[in-house]
Amino acid sequence: ILNVEQSPQSLHVQEGDSTNFTCSFPSSNFYALHWYRWETAKSPEALFVMTLNGDEKKKGRISATLNTKEGYSYLYIKGSQPEDSATYLCAPPTGTASKLTFGTGTRLQVTL
Amino acid sequence: DVKVTQSSRYLVKRTGEKVFLECVQDMDHENMFWYRQDPGLGLRLIYFSYDVKMKEKGDIPEGYSVSREKKERFSLILESASTNQTSMYLCASSAALDSNQPQHFGDGTRLSIL
Repeated sequence: ILNVEQSPQSLHVQEGDSTNFTCSFPSSNFYALHWYRWETAKSPEALFVMTLNGDEKKKGRISATLNTKEGYSYLYIKGSQPEDSATYLCAPPTGTASKLTFGTGTRLQVTL
Repeated sequence: DVKVTQSSRYLVKRTGEKVFLECVQDMDHENMFWYRQDPGLGLRLIYFSYDVKMKEKGDIPEGYSVSREKKERFSLILESASTNQTSMYLCASSAALDSNQPQHFGDGTRLSIL
């Protein structure tokens, strides 16, 4: 089982703050890195699938970067809004290419 | 939009019962997955299937079995439910055996075993 670590475990920010969190994963045998957002009472939703070292992806106010050589990815949220409150999960595939190992997530709470 | 539908949002069963959790996807995806989510442990893979009648064990298959008789449907079976199987269960699907394809999740079933 891959060791996937996410930090911090939880984060509480004010509306308008920018924030970032980290996903660390083994750098050997890298296939891709997935990011998901999981809002309370909803299903996890895919944000990004990143494959190349140095990759940077953006979706609205959310962006992510990838360093496959050192085994980490950062997720950034610019100008956090209450609707960004969710748990953010990262997952590299392992073994069989489409099988994911999830980190325990970073729980973000954005208040007014 | 991909739709992954789980048969129940909430389910309460008794210890020793045989429990079926059903999942249906409407996008003709090859891969289907069953996870459980427990506080502090993240999503853990129970079983997955990459084709009809094909299945592979995930990280925590003990006490579970699965069935995939049709491409769109993937069932998780608790052979003899126990209290330590109380959890949130999530089904997901993805296209092709390709690490670049995101997984699409159902809304989850919160299962309580009494």
